[in-house]
Amino acid sequence: EIVLTQSPGTLSLSPGERATLSCRASQSVSSSYLAWYQQKPGQAPRLLIYGASSRATGIPDRFSGSGSGTDFTLTISRLEPEDFAVYYCQNYGSSQGYTFGQGTRLEIK
Amino acid sequence: QIQLLQSGLEVKKPGASMKVSCKTSGYTFTSSGISWVRQAPGQGLEWMGWVHTANDNTHYAQKFQGRVTMTRDTSASTVYMELRSLTSDDTAVYYCARDTLGLGFDLWGQGTLIIASS
Repeated sequence: EIVLTQSPGTLSLSPGERATLSCRASQSVSSSYLAWYQQKPGQAPRLLIYGASSRATGIPDRFSGSGSGTDFTLTISRLEPEDFAVYYCQNYGSSQGYTFGQGTRLEIK
Repeated sequence: QIQLLQSGLEVKKPGASMKVSCKTSGYTFTSSGISWVRQAPGQGLEWMGWVHTANDNTHYAQKFQGRVTMTRDTSASTVYMELRSLTSDDTAVYYCARDTLGLGFDLWGQGTLIIASS
């Protein structure tokens, strides 16, 4: 199965700053099937990005995704207070099954 | 209203089975698959498997093969996930999510807490 490793484990930033979250795959992933989710405490995850770079419906344009092959990035251009949460990347197109990264916690500095 | 509505909290003894339902509404039931994802307390997300709502095909994560069954009732627009031989490690929140190929998991249920404890 494809293993996704996210870094850093925790990212401490202030509102207004730029956040860069990384997701590295153990083998090449089709860009068509790489997604990012946001999860806040006590809530279900929310889809942010699919196909590595397409924003889901209703997602603000400060969220952007990029990458290909084994290296993918989620960027939040200017952090808003509501952006502090846990973020997961996911490979959802492999015939071996879908996998999630272990998550990056984005916390207020 | 487009939503996935899951059944409620369950407390089970080790060795027992549990069955969670996920009722869909607001969209064509057979247009998308449903995946199940679980999250143990304080832990990350774990994909369990997927059911194709149009033809009942399934694909389970290797970890759960032989212990999980995912089914659907087209007349009720509902998907079910049964997990057998529960241990304390199965204590988690279980989510269903709409799984449309190429579009990620774009709609999630509210989650169902399953507690497996003696």
